[in-house]
Amino acid sequence: AQKVTQAQTEISVVEKEDVTLDCVYETRDTTYYLFWYKQPPSGELVFLIRRNSFDEQNEISGRYSWNFQKSTSSFNFTITASQVVDSAVYFCALSESGAGSYQLTFGKGTKLSVIP
Amino acid sequence: EADIYQTPRYLVIGTGKKITLECSQTMGHDKMYWYQQDPGMELHLIHYSYGVNSTEKGDLSSESTVSRIRTEHFPLTLESARPSHTSQYLCASSDWTGRNEQYFGPGTRLTVT
Repeated sequence: AQKVTQAQTEISVVEKEDVTLDCVYETRDTTYYLFWYKQPPSGELVFLIRRNSFDEQNEISGRYSWNFQKSTSSFNFTITASQVVDSAVYFCALSESGAGSYQLTFGKGTKLSVIP
Repeated sequence: EADIYQTPRYLVIGTGKKITLECSQTMGHDKMYWYQQDPGMELHLIHYSYGVNSTEKGDLSSESTVSRIRTEHFPLTLESARPSHTSQYLCASSDWTGRNEQYFGPGTRLTVT
């Protein structure tokens, strides 16, 4: 069965610090997809990134970067020079092709607080 | 930008009332989902649909029901609301492959008194 673990429940950083959110996943499929979502206090989930299991290249988008390592089953998310607007709950999620369903399994989320 | 809508955004209702949470998307997505999320907690899938006239129960048992008569519309109904139903309900959709990201609506915060 698929599983996503976000061991960090809450993180607090001072503005402009870098912060890394950890995500470890479990799956028996060779084809799967990993996602990060942001949930600000307003409650809506905002899609940030999708990676497929065949592409281990790291990705950078502005202050955001993602490190995907199949060897350790991890898909970590780094925010560089954090800002107050980054304060939110961040969810890592996994979608696998078992039974063709591609349903998302979410981690429990990491609450990030950026202090001015 | 995702075009998925939920109404109402907030609802406070008494025990025993019947309620319907609306969800609509304008992206033509075949797959739609309902998640339940308690404040600060993980998301749990309660219903999903692969297309018109298709509905399935998710991982978390729920007393709610859903219907999918039109591609763009996926309402969730509680026949008799109870305080244990107090939660946030999030609707999402994705394209037919399901491999791609799910787009989420703004959510409905339900309080049953």
